[in-house]
Formats: sequence, structure tokens, C-alpha cells
Amino acid sequence: QQQVKQSPQSLIVQKGGISIINCAYENTAFDYFPWYQQFPGKGPALLIAIRPDVSEKKEGRFTISFNKSAKQFSLHIMDSQPGDSATYFCAASISQGGSEKLVFGKGTKLTVNP
Amino acid sequence: DAGVIQSPRHEVTEMGQEVTLRCKPISGHDYLFWYRQTMMRGLELLIYFNNNVPIDDSGMPEDRFSAKMPNASFSTLKIQPSEPRDSAVYFCASSFGGSQYFGPGTRLLVL
Repeated sequence: QQQVKQSPQSLIVQKGGISIINCAYENTAFDYFPWYQQFPGKGPALLIAIRPDVSEKKEGRFTISFNKSAKQFSLHIMDSQPGDSATYFCAASISQGGSEKLVFGKGTKLTVNP
Repeated sequence: DAGVIQSPRHEVTEMGQEVTLRCKPISGHDYLFWYRQTMMRGLELLIYFNNNVPIDDSGMPEDRFSAKMPNASFSTLKIQPSEPRDSAVYFCASSFGGSQYFGPGTRLLVL
């Protein structure tokens, strides 16, 4: 019940295309859903996050879509660029009165071809 | 703020040696996390602290691993004795209000 399942494991997209990464969770107590971006040799960096009181959050070319009833959330990267090539991790936690302990997905390696 | 600071950035040691990894969290953050990342197992949470107190160490692989947080601005992860299977990238992260911020990591190679 603590797992977050992420798909696909890898994704290849052409420059200018849309990249979509999906995550699903079981624990309905999760109330904070961040996405992290990791470049080779670097630590994961917080990219964007959402709480379940909204169904969508957009920051520039990055959008999180959240479906509370389906217990799913996804990251959309619009107009994908070669510089977006990285590994993306979804995560979930119980932030209110919880431990702030994040449960991470296994990661998606995104390659954006020029 | 300089972000989470980790040292050393790279460590090469021989099997059986003691290894100490260091972390300085972001000032004002009340949670500190230690993770290990490998190709095979991905990102694993080893232990985390709240207000310098260890909360959950269930991810620590075995007794060879220990972690301390003597004050709000410093934590160590120690491996004694080290083994080749401990080779990985070790990350420290800190948080306040849910958003975790990761350090650059320590790349450990045990020969």
C-alpha cells in the first residue's frame, strides 16, 4: 500500500513533442505528490508538486494532472527539449501530521531527440 | 542558501575500511533523510531524522551502517566495515513542510 508505481521505465520523444509519465498509488492518506528531475551525476531536484485539492498544476512547460478517484497522477512536458533529457521520479507522502517521508517511483529515463 | 551540502563528493576505499559521509542540511529544515541510489535498486531511503532525532531506520541495510545527527546543522552516515556491495551514490536531503531538497550526493566505491 506504500508503493508508487511509475511508468514507463523509459521514454524517447522527438524535440517539440509531448512527454507523458504516469504514476499510481494505493494509500489514500497521501496528500502531497512531487516530481523530481535528476540529471546524470546530480541529485534529484524538485520540479513541481501538487496537492489533491486541485486536479492540475502548471509551471511553464511542465504540468501535473491529478485524478484523485483513480489514484493516479501524471507529468506532462510540453514542447519537450533535448535539455529535458533526464530521469524523472514521482513521489508521494503524508505531509499533514505525517512524517514527510517520500515514497518514490522507480523512475523514468526520458530521452528527447533533437 | 547554499542548499544541502555533502562531503566528500567522491570516496574510494578498500573493503573493510570505515567510511564516513557528511551532510549539512538547509538551515531551518527540521527533517533530514539519507538515501542510497543504485542502478539495480533505485532510490532507497535508509534513515530519517526529525529535529535531530532518528525516526525510522528500517531502511538501514545492516548493523554495519549507522547514522547520527548531533545538531540541526550536521549529520553523518558511517559504514564500518565497508563492503564492495555498498558501492553506490549516497544522498542526503532535508525538508520543511513536505518539499525535500537533495544534496549533490557522495559517490562511494568500495574495492
